[in-house]
Amino acid sequence: DAGITQSPRHKVTETGTPVTLRCHQTENHRYMYWYRQDPGHGLRLIHYSYGVKDTDKGEVSDGYSVSRSKTEDFLLTLESATSSQTSVYFCAISDMPRDNYGYTFGSGTRLTVV
Amino acid sequence: TQLLEQSPQFLSIQEGENLTVYCNSSSVFSSLQWYRQEPGEGPVLLVTVVTGGEVKKLKRLTFQFGDARKDSSLHITAAQPGDTGLYLCAGDIGNTGKLIFGQGTTLQVKP
Repeated sequence: DAGITQSPRHKVTETGTPVTLRCHQTENHRYMYWYRQDPGHGLRLIHYSYGVKDTDKGEVSDGYSVSRSKTEDFLLTLESATSSQTSVYFCAISDMPRDNYGYTFGSGTRLTVV
Repeated sequence: TQLLEQSPQFLSIQEGENLTVYCNSSSVFSSLQWYRQEPGEGPVLLVTVVTGGEVKKLKRLTFQFGDARKDSSLHITAAQPGDTGLYLCAGDIGNTGKLIFGQGTTLQVKP
């Protein structure tokens, strides 16, 4: 989507190295989310943010941290990458969760940990 | 852990056939959404249903929210090859804005 971009689109990294994925939005939406998508599991929430410097854990947050220093950027860091973190990572934005309008997703980052 | 079960997981049909995808849970949802995802892209929102018993139509797609707001269905009439993709349901429990996703239904429509 034009209003949300993820970088990089693809990355291969070695076990034990730190990795940072970036999500950038131009919609000025308050809420931002990081999900991972794996076969058989659908999308699972890692972390989310409800404002600058306001973040909270999701369902599968172990081994991940996030930061949001500006409204437009939400960073996901794998502190020490493991093979189990090989996945496709999606960022999503939402204006107001209670307006029921749904998420806008980025195109994803395919991460391979070798 | 709240679960959202989708069925079937895979569906391969001929062009022109009708199909229904189901999304079930033991939890009550404040809203439920349906997304469609194509390979290499993120999910795209199709519809949001909020009220128990609500029915929404989007061209050949009909979405229904169960009376108790625990289940939903997606019905496609006269499927076309362009409908091919991964269909995901997602529910919001307690109006938190955090969505729980089903495992997805992969639909293939053959010409």
